[in-house]
Amino acid sequence: AQTVTQSQPEMSVQEAETVTLSCTYDTSENNYYLFWYKQPPSRQMILVIRQEAYKQQNATENRFSVNFQKAAKSFSLKISDSQLGDTAMYFCAFMKNYGGSQGNLIFGKGTKLSVKP
Amino acid sequence: DGGITQSPKYLFRKEGQNVTLSCEQNLNHDAMYWYRQDPGQGLRLIYYSQIVNDFQKGDIAEGYSVSREKKESFPLTVTSAQKNPTAFYLCASNPGHDWGNSPLHFGNGTRLTVT
Repeated sequence: AQTVTQSQPEMSVQEAETVTLSCTYDTSENNYYLFWYKQPPSRQMILVIRQEAYKQQNATENRFSVNFQKAAKSFSLKISDSQLGDTAMYFCAFMKNYGGSQGNLIFGKGTKLSVKP
Repeated sequence: DGGITQSPKYLFRKEGQNVTLSCEQNLNHDAMYWYRQDPGQGLRLIYYSQIVNDFQKGDIAEGYSVSREKKESFPLTVTSAQKNPTAFYLCASNPGHDWGNSPLHFGNGTRLTVT
């Protein structure tokens, strides 16, 4: 079974600075996807970024980028130029890319990020 | 605009009563999911359905039931057998193909409180 671990329950960062959220996962699969979701106080889940395991290049979406280390099973999220609106819970998630449970996301327990003015 | 609608936003029930949470989507998605969120626990999968009239148990299905009679609708019933029903419930969907490029769309959730 796959597991996703986020070792930082809470983090804080000053506005305009850079912060990195950690995520590790355990799987014997070779074909999968990884995601970061953001959940602001409204509790709406918002996709931040995704990474395909067979792509070596790290995904980037504007101020958000990942450091994907497949051998180490690590998938960290870097937020550059942090903004007050980045304050949220951040969830790392894993998804197999084959088999009957495709589409089922396995989530970590989340990291609560606070951006301070 | 297409999306997922969960209703109501807040729901209160007495212990021992069954309660049904609504989830409707107009995205024409084949697959739908129910997740439960508790503080410090992340999201855990309750049930999922990849096609009409078919559904599968997730990791924490005990005490819950679902139906998928229509593509647009995937209601979740929290039965009296669920020992700790108070939680935040999220419904999600995706097209049911090209999984990695079509990640989950989520509703706004229902907060259920059972006393």
